[in-house]
Amino acid sequence: NAGVTQTPKFQVLKTGQSMTLQCAQDMNHEYMSWYRQDPGMGLRLIHYSVGAGITDQGEVPNGYNVSRSTTEDFPLRLLSAAPSQTSVYFCASSPGGRDGYTFGSGTRLTVV
Amino acid sequence: SQELEQSPQSLIVQEGKNLTINCTSSKTLYGLYWYKQKYGEGLIFLMMLQKGGEEKSHEKITAKLDEKKQQSSLHITASQPSHAGIYLCGADRSGTYKYIFGTGTRLKVLA
Repeated sequence: NAGVTQTPKFQVLKTGQSMTLQCAQDMNHEYMSWYRQDPGMGLRLIHYSVGAGITDQGEVPNGYNVSRSTTEDFPLRLLSAAPSQTSVYFCASSPGGRDGYTFGSGTRLTVV
Repeated sequence: SQELEQSPQSLIVQEGKNLTINCTSSKTLYGLYWYKQKYGEGLIFLMMLQKGGEEKSHEKITAKLDEKKQQSSLHITASQPSHAGIYLCGADRSGTYKYIFGTGTRLKVLA
């Protein structure tokens, strides 16, 4: 199994550009989340989903949109990139219960 | 303010030494999760604690959750260079799998 696959691994954007970070999992997990990781801030939840068609905001949702049309995919859209969105983004999925989240390897995004 | 406080923020130990990392919440937690992150990589799930007083072990790593379910400790026995990385605690506050995370503890083990 591939687990949680994130693409791209690296991306440089200009301020004001939009883009979509892709996330796919092949484990049939119901729960999926997007986090950003910044130095000294730990992981902060952007958006999460409890199943196809159901999403909710996390701690830092502004400037980001998500959708969950299938169980497998949970893309994160940056509407108009800002330098403050420079970060490492992680997607994660979980089946629930005591198994915890499985994380992807991350996307390192730089906004100039 | 960070809802999950981890201490210490960083730790440097000599190989073979024991160490403890703490994770504290101001609120009772539904579940507490420990993860390890190697530098520049994703997070690896270590273990999950849910019941007050619960203790679990994974190889040389032991984690405990206090009776009030507000504090957890992660203890590494006889540390090795392979234990180096960032340890993060995560919590499910309401049973909805909407996790929050602490800021992490950077561990370096000197050979």
